[in-house]
Amino acid sequence: EAEVAQSPRYKITEKSQAVAFWCDPISGHATLYWYRQILGQGPELLVQFQDESVVDDSQLPKDRFSAERLKGVDSTLKIQPAELGDSAMYLCASSPTPGTSGREYQETQYFGPGTRLLVL
Amino acid sequence: GESVGLHLPTLSVQEGDNSIINCAYSNSASDYFIWYKQESGKGPQFIIDIRSNMDKRQGQRVTVLLNKTVKHLSLQIAATQPGDSAVYFCAEKGDSSYKLIFGSGTRLLVRP
Repeated sequence: EAEVAQSPRYKITEKSQAVAFWCDPISGHATLYWYRQILGQGPELLVQFQDESVVDDSQLPKDRFSAERLKGVDSTLKIQPAELGDSAMYLCASSPTPGTSGREYQETQYFGPGTRLLVL
Repeated sequence: GESVGLHLPTLSVQEGDNSIINCAYSNSASDYFIWYKQESGKGPQFIIDIRSNMDKRQGQRVTVLLNKTVKHLSLQIAATQPGDSAVYFCAEKGDSSYKLIFGSGTRLLVRP
């Protein structure tokens, strides 16, 4: 069964350092999402891509966070500089291109295993 | 805040019993709803979804019920098993984008 891949699974860094997370969505999925999940809470959307274009980055702290999906396939989320409050799980999800999923609902988002970030 | 999020509502059930997890959603215009299961240290796993033009949908051992009048969603798990122990999140999608808004989660504990 196809899955969303993420790396690294765990990252420990010191504040003010730069970190980067990578995501490879399910093959053929045009829409890619990055979420942040604080322990004990639901995921919150940071950025949404449709192919290589950003659809929604209204919740992305743009002074320190950046995201790209240059070829419309895999994606990178970067934080520079990292702050203590950035410690969280960073989740990537993807959903099918409308009309291609073969499922009844095309909005279903499938999540990867996440990258757990600890900023010291 | 974070202190509230750490104290998730918890449902404790006996193995073999049925479980019902409830969720109140906020936007009356939401047209799609989804349930996820999240085990410790893992990403959310899709369980079942439903569109607003339905009030019930069934999967394998799971049923989702939607009451649009009171903006309430529930997940029923039949014959609950130890492997069902996890945190369960509901999420809603508005009618104009694919953005999911997640609820605060419920922890399900299955007693052997």
